[in-house]
Amino acid sequence: DAGVTQSPTHLIKTRGQQVTLRCSPKSGHDTVSWYQQALGQGPQFIFQYYEEEERQRGNFPDRFSGHQFPNYSSELNVNALLLGDSALYLCASSIRDRGAGSTDTQYFGPGTRLTVL
Amino acid sequence: GQSLEQPSEVTAVEGAIVQINCTYQTSGFYGLSWYQQHDGGAPTFLSYNALDGLEETGRFSSFLSRSDSYGYLLLQELQMKDSASYFCAVRDTGFQKLVFGTGTRLLVSP
Repeated sequence: DAGVTQSPTHLIKTRGQQVTLRCSPKSGHDTVSWYQQALGQGPQFIFQYYEEEERQRGNFPDRFSGHQFPNYSSELNVNALLLGDSALYLCASSIRDRGAGSTDTQYFGPGTRLTVL
Repeated sequence: GQSLEQPSEVTAVEGAIVQINCTYQTSGFYGLSWYQQHDGGAPTFLSYNALDGLEETGRFSSFLSRSDSYGYLLLQELQMKDSASYFCAVRDTGFQKLVFGTGTRLLVSP
């Protein structure tokens, strides 16, 4: 059973460029969340996708956008990169909570390390 | 606002027991989770508490007191491989969004 996969593993960009990160959720999962983790910090929620729509968004500017495809995979796009965007970007998948009893388990991928120069 | 507080670092020796505390202040509360993250790795789910009390999973146990907005992770029979960062995270809405603490770095020595 494949877990959450992300690509690429590492990426180096320069300021002003655009980047696309990709995520494939764990088999059977329909919800994808993206998080940004700066060095020495906890992950910060960017947004969540379910049924190909953005369902909730954290405190991130519009430069951060995403997409979910019919096969539940997802992309994170960041435009006009800033030095401060350098971080580990984590994708987490889960099964949509359809009521009481959800264990709330989110499974994280290995992340994409983005460096902006 | 939303905040989760954890100690920044905890040290212990192999075979010992260690407790990592987490206090939270969030707009909503649907449960407290704990994740382990080794350097360069992905966060790995350890446990989840939605109701007050103790949840036990092998060497790890997690406790929640909703009235005190407090929880802890208890690690028993520490092993060197337990050296990692540990994060508490609160689900504060119905959309499974997790709000993470700043993490506790656990160093286990021989």
